[in-house]
Amino acid sequence: DQQVKQNSPSLSVQEGRISILNCDYTNSMFDYFLWYKKYPAEGPTFLISISSIKDKNEDGRFTVFLNKSAKHLSLHIVPSQPGDSAVYFCAASARWAGGTSYGKLTFGQGTILTVHP
Amino acid sequence: EAQVTQNPRYLITVTGKKLTVTCSQNMNHEYMSWYRQDPGLGLRQIYYSMNVEVTDKGDVPEGYKVSRKEKRNFPLILESPSPNQTSLYFCASSFRTGTNEKLFFGSGTQLSVL
Repeated sequence: DQQVKQNSPSLSVQEGRISILNCDYTNSMFDYFLWYKKYPAEGPTFLISISSIKDKNEDGRFTVFLNKSAKHLSLHIVPSQPGDSAVYFCAASARWAGGTSYGKLTFGQGTILTVHP
Repeated sequence: EAQVTQNPRYLITVTGKKLTVTCSQNMNHEYMSWYRQDPGLGLRQIYYSMNVEVTDKGDVPEGYKVSRKEKRNFPLILESPSPNQTSLYFCASSFRTGTNEKLFFGSGTQLSVL
């Protein structure tokens, strides 16, 4: 049962344009969401996060949008750069489930982003 | 430099031969975890540890063991590896507080079981 889904295995974008990566979740207990970026031969690195009390969080070229009613979040990269080419993982956490923070992240399958010069 | 260190980076072994993948972090993190990455499945949690001597199963614990005798180390043990454990493995750590679940990952261990 995949609780976090990234339905697009890959995305190709021209440099300077917007990249939009999508993520859907099914567990209504999730209240914290993160995006990780992974280059080949490296571990994933944290990119940006959003709490369920917000619907938008921005950090430079990266913006994450959360639509709780649709159980959907998206990552926007504007403008896209060739160095953004990587695998992007969406992750979710049920931090306050049962009053305890478990620190467990549930990840999606990942989306390979390719930004062409 | 703050980091999570995994060893080895690459490992080829045969079915049934016990192996250990080491993981060490220098950030004094309470929480440590192991994930495996497989095509089309993303990252799936194997085991996690909330603190020394406290470990628990993740989503795919079968065939794996862990121990947490010291805060900085969290080795992953495959007592009798099988080909379906061929995968890319990541160790991760974080502070335990609930305000930020940002995990720091190691560089990965590519395991092939023949």
